[in-house]
Amino acid sequence: RKEVEQDPGPFNVPEGATVAFNCTYSNSASQSFFWYRQDCRKEPKLLMSVYSSGNEDGRFTAQLNRASQYISLLIRDSKLSDSATYLCVVPSNAGGTSYGKLTFGQGTILTVHP
Amino acid sequence: GAGVSQTPSNKVTEKGKYVELRCDPISGHTALYWYRQSLGQGPEFLIYFQGTGAADDSGLPNDRFFAVRPEGSVSTLKIQRTERGDSAVYLCASRETGDTGELFFGEGSRLTVL
Repeated sequence: RKEVEQDPGPFNVPEGATVAFNCTYSNSASQSFFWYRQDCRKEPKLLMSVYSSGNEDGRFTAQLNRASQYISLLIRDSKLSDSATYLCVVPSNAGGTSYGKLTFGQGTILTVHP
Repeated sequence: GAGVSQTPSNKVTEKGKYVELRCDPISGHTALYWYRQSLGQGPEFLIYFQGTGAADDSGLPNDRFFAVRPEGSVSTLKIQRTERGDSAVYLCASRETGDTGELFFGEGSRLTVL
C-alpha cells in the first residue's frame, strides 16, 4: 500500500451538491491527519486537522477510521469557490506525530459548476 | 508578519548546471520542510529540518540534492548536475514548535531544466 492514497478524481459537481473524498494511509502509528487545499498554481493551505474520530467546520466534515486506516472529507452545499485540489496529509515517521515527515497524497481535483 | 519567502520564483537552467533555491521561513519557526511538486501530483517530501539539523532527509532522491540551514533560519536547497527530470515546483514550508501540524508554505520556486 502507498503511504497515502487518494481518490483519483476529478470530481465535477453542481453548486449545492454534497461530495466526499477518501484517503487511505499505511502508517498505523499515525496520530494526526490533515486536509490541505491547493488552488491552481498556488501553495497548499491547511483546511482541517483531524486528531480523534473526526472534525467539523461549517460545511466541511472530516472523519477518521483508524481500524481501516482511512480518512474522509465531506463537503456539503458546494460553492463555486470550493473548486480546488484537496490534499490528504499523514505523518509517515515512526512515531506517527506531525513533528517529522509529513506525506501528501496525490490530491483530488474538485470542480464545482453553476 | 511576513510569510514564507522563496527565491527565485522561476529558474530556467540547462541540463548539467548547478542550482540553488532559497527559503526564508516565518520568523521563529524552528521546523522547515522542502517538498517538490510535479504537475498533477501532490507535494513529494524531500527533507525536514528541526533547527539547524536535517532531522529526516529520506526524501532526497539522490546525492545530487543537498540542503542546508546553517543558522536555523534560512535554508538553501542545492541541486548539482541538474537533469530534465528535476523540473518541478520546489516548495518550502515552515512550522512552529509543537504538534499543531500546520505547515505554512511559500509560493514555490519553479525550476525548468532544458
